[in-house]
Amino acid sequence: EIVLTQSPGTLSLSPGERATLSCRASQSVSSYLAWYQQKPGQAPRLLISGASTRATGIPDRFSGSGSGTDFTLTISRLEPEDFAVYYCQQYGNPLFTFGPGTKVAIK
Amino acid sequence: QITLKESGPTLVKPTQTLRLTCTLSGFSLSTRGMGVGWIRQPPGKALEWLAIVYWDDDKRYGPSLKSRLTISKDTSRNQVVLTMTNMDPVDTATYFCAHFNENTGYYRVYFDYWGQGTLVTVSS
Repeated sequence: EIVLTQSPGTLSLSPGERATLSCRASQSVSSYLAWYQQKPGQAPRLLISGASTRATGIPDRFSGSGSGTDFTLTISRLEPEDFAVYYCQQYGNPLFTFGPGTKVAIK
Repeated sequence: QITLKESGPTLVKPTQTLRLTCTLSGFSLSTRGMGVGWIRQPPGKALEWLAIVYWDDDKRYGPSLKSRLTISKDTSRNQVVLTMTNMDPVDTATYFCAHFNENTGYYRVYFDYWGQGTLVTVSS
């Protein structure tokens, strides 16, 4: 099973700041990585697939990069609605897995 | 517009079998390439994939709970059912169903539409 590690666990930032979230895989997943956003009491929402392709309706302040084992989700300027938990998920292996999440909190 | 909605008991007793239903709208599981999965999330914890079923009735299970799970589809009712045997308090979680499309490869599964989730509590 491929293990995903996300860092930091919590990121405390102010609106307007840039957020950089990391996801590291225990072995290569090529570009088969997705990012999700989850707000309290809601289902996850797909943000990014294929490491860098934004899902329909996702603002361009969200961007993804990376391949192999190291991936990054960047939020260029935090809006109030972006404070949430972000999960990565690898699907390079048939036994796909989710990361433990990074919480983006208001500073 | 693709939507999914979970239904089932909110409270089950230890050792009982849980049966959850996911009702689909906006797509059919008889359409090539479509699939539905179940994912759960204990309170305050991360997501855990449980099972998926493909349009061709192929099924796969997450390794940790494989022996306790059964997923099935009823295309005439546009529903997917998950059963989990021998429930335990540690199985208390919100259970989500979600749609996927095998557009990047048969085993390349990520979820683009999610149901709202249903909280299942396991307690005597």
